[in-house]
Amino acid sequence: NAGVTQTPKFRILKIGQSMTLQCTQDMNHNYMYWYRQDPGMGLKLIYYSVGAGITDKGEVPNGYNVSRSTTEDFPLRLELAAPSQTSVYFCASSPPNGYQETQYFGPGTRLLVL
Amino acid sequence: AQSVSQHNHHVILSEAASLELGCNYSYGGTVNLFWYVQYPGQHLQLLLKYFSGDPLVKGIKGFEAEFIKSKFSFNLRKPSVQWSDTAEYFCAVMDTGRRALTFGSGTRLQVQP
Repeated sequence: NAGVTQTPKFRILKIGQSMTLQCTQDMNHNYMYWYRQDPGMGLKLIYYSVGAGITDKGEVPNGYNVSRSTTEDFPLRLELAAPSQTSVYFCASSPPNGYQETQYFGPGTRLLVL
Repeated sequence: AQSVSQHNHHVILSEAASLELGCNYSYGGTVNLFWYVQYPGQHLQLLLKYFSGDPLVKGIKGFEAEFIKSKFSFNLRKPSVQWSDTAEYFCAVMDTGRRALTFGSGTRLQVQP
């Protein structure tokens, strides 16, 4: 298994541009998550999904959108990039076997908005 | 709302020194606690986790953590650190409803040879 994969690894955006961060997992996990990590801070939850077709907001959803059309994919969309969205974005997934399960993280996408 | 506090932001140790990183949490429900590690340039990896039972939890690479309910703490320990332990360490508590994690701000550990 490749686990959780994310693309791109790094991206520079201009203010107002849009982009989609891709996340794919091949472990047949129901739960998927998007976090952002700002310098000197812990990860904060942006959005999460409990299965295909079901998504919900986390702590910091403003400026982002998600969709979950398949079990494997959970893309994160930035519509109008702002400097405050400069961060490292991590996707994670966990299996459906109860809440006592570990989250598996992808390698992250580093985004710089100028 | 749940929260996690890590009081040590940057720790510098010499090889073979003992390590203890503090973690305090606030959460009203059933507590599931985690320590993750992020080595330079790599993604987060699970060190250990606590769900229930023995409050002393052993993880990978010689790390352990003790859950003390009365102190709302879940401190990470290692008797003798190595240069390869240089990394950032994150404590996290799980929201069992959303099954999402709330992270502390992290502790950067630098081990000098």
